[in-house]
Amino acid sequence: DIQITQSPSLLSASVGDSVTLSCKASRYIYNNLAWYQQKLGEAPKLLIYHTNSFQTGIPSRFSGSGSGTDYTLAINSLQPEDVATYFCQTYYSGNTFGAGTKLELK
Amino acid sequence: EVKLVESGGGLVEPGRSLKLSCAASGFNFNDYWMGWVRQAPGKGLEWIGEIKQDSSTINYTPSLKDKFTISRDNAQNTLYLHMSKLGSEDTAIYYCVRPRVLGHGSFFDHWGQGVMVTVSS
Repeated sequence: DIQITQSPSLLSASVGDSVTLSCKASRYIYNNLAWYQQKLGEAPKLLIYHTNSFQTGIPSRFSGSGSGTDYTLAINSLQPEDVATYFCQTYYSGNTFGAGTKLELK
Repeated sequence: EVKLVESGGGLVEPGRSLKLSCAASGFNFNDYWMGWVRQAPGKGLEWIGEIKQDSSTINYTPSLKDKFTISRDNAQNTLYLHMSKLGSEDTAIYYCVRPRVLGHGSFFDHWGQGVMVTVSS
């Protein structure tokens, strides 16, 4: 099974900051990676799939990149409504989620 | 608007069974794979499985294959999850999802609000 490691587990940032969340796979996943946002008390929401393809309606301040085993989600100009836990998921050889990065405001 | 509404959760004793339902609307249910994902309290997400449009193929995560059964009723636009031999480790929020299924895996572009299942005596 492919293992997914997300870092950091907790990230504190200020409104207007640019932040980067990391997702590392135990082996190559050939861009088969999605990112989800889960706000407190809500269901997860798909943000990005295929590493850098946007789900409809996702703000352009979000972006995804990466290749091989290493992938990132970047948020430019952090907004208060971006406070959430972010999960990455690979769908290469089954479906495996990372443990999540909790993003909070300083 | 795609809408997925789960029901059937609650408190259940260890060793018992429970069946969850997911009512779908806002899209042609017959045209899509459907699935389930769960999340233990304060924990991450775990894919349970998914079912093809005509129920001819059902994929499960290996650790749950002998305990959980996914089915669907296309006439009622409803997805089901039958869970047996429940243990405390099955306490979680269960989400109905609409996956985009590729040959080797799937990601999930629509989620229900989730239903809580608590396994306790």
